[in-house]
Amino acid sequence: DVVMTQSPLSLPVTLGQPASISCRSSQSLVYRDGNTYLNWFQQRPGQSPRRLIYKVSNRDSGVPDRFSGSGSGTDFTLKISRVEAEDVGVYYCMQGAHWLWTFGQGTKVEIK
Amino acid sequence: EVQLVESGGGLVQPGGSLRLSCVASGFTFSDHFIDWVRQAPGKGLEWVARTRDKANSHITDYAASVQGRFSISRDFSKSSVYLQMNSLNTEDTAVYYCVRAIDGSYDSWGQGTQVTVSS
Repeated sequence: DVVMTQSPLSLPVTLGQPASISCRSSQSLVYRDGNTYLNWFQQRPGQSPRRLIYKVSNRDSGVPDRFSGSGSGTDFTLKISRVEAEDVGVYYCMQGAHWLWTFGQGTKVEIK
Repeated sequence: EVQLVESGGGLVQPGGSLRLSCVASGFTFSDHFIDWVRQAPGKGLEWVARTRDKANSHITDYAASVQGRFSISRDFSKSSVYLQMNSLNTEDTAVYYCVRAIDGSYDSWGQGTQVTVSS
């Protein structure tokens, strides 16, 4: 199975400041169709996960543009340009390029 | 609007059984993969089972941790997916989510149903 490794696992941030989460995969996430199937999910306290980003950098409808995804191959990053209070929660990367699909351990974002 | 609504969770003793249900709406049910993903208390997300789409003959798959104990199925007349869970143990305690799988991703999640295995 593809191992997804996130860092850091805990990220205290100041409101209005940027934040960045790294996700590395044990294999390239480029599928045979040329797409890279790397996703980012947000899970707010007490809620179900919600997809933010798919195929590395595509934001879902309704996701604020302060969230951005980047990367290629095995190294990926989720950035929040200016953290807001509603961004508190756990963020997961997930690969959908190789069966079976696997998640990172999660990164807990909290306000300092 | 895509909706997935789970039910059927509860408290069960070790060795017991439970059947979870997921009612889907807002999309063509037979044309999509549906997975169950679980989250143990304070832990991350773990894939549990998959039922593929009509084009893939609704073939099923299971995580090694539940293989032989869990069974996933569909009722097309009710646009529902079920997860039959047998021989439950304390490590199966988790919130179970029904999710739609599409294009290498999970684009829709249910609200989850809590399963607690305890004596």
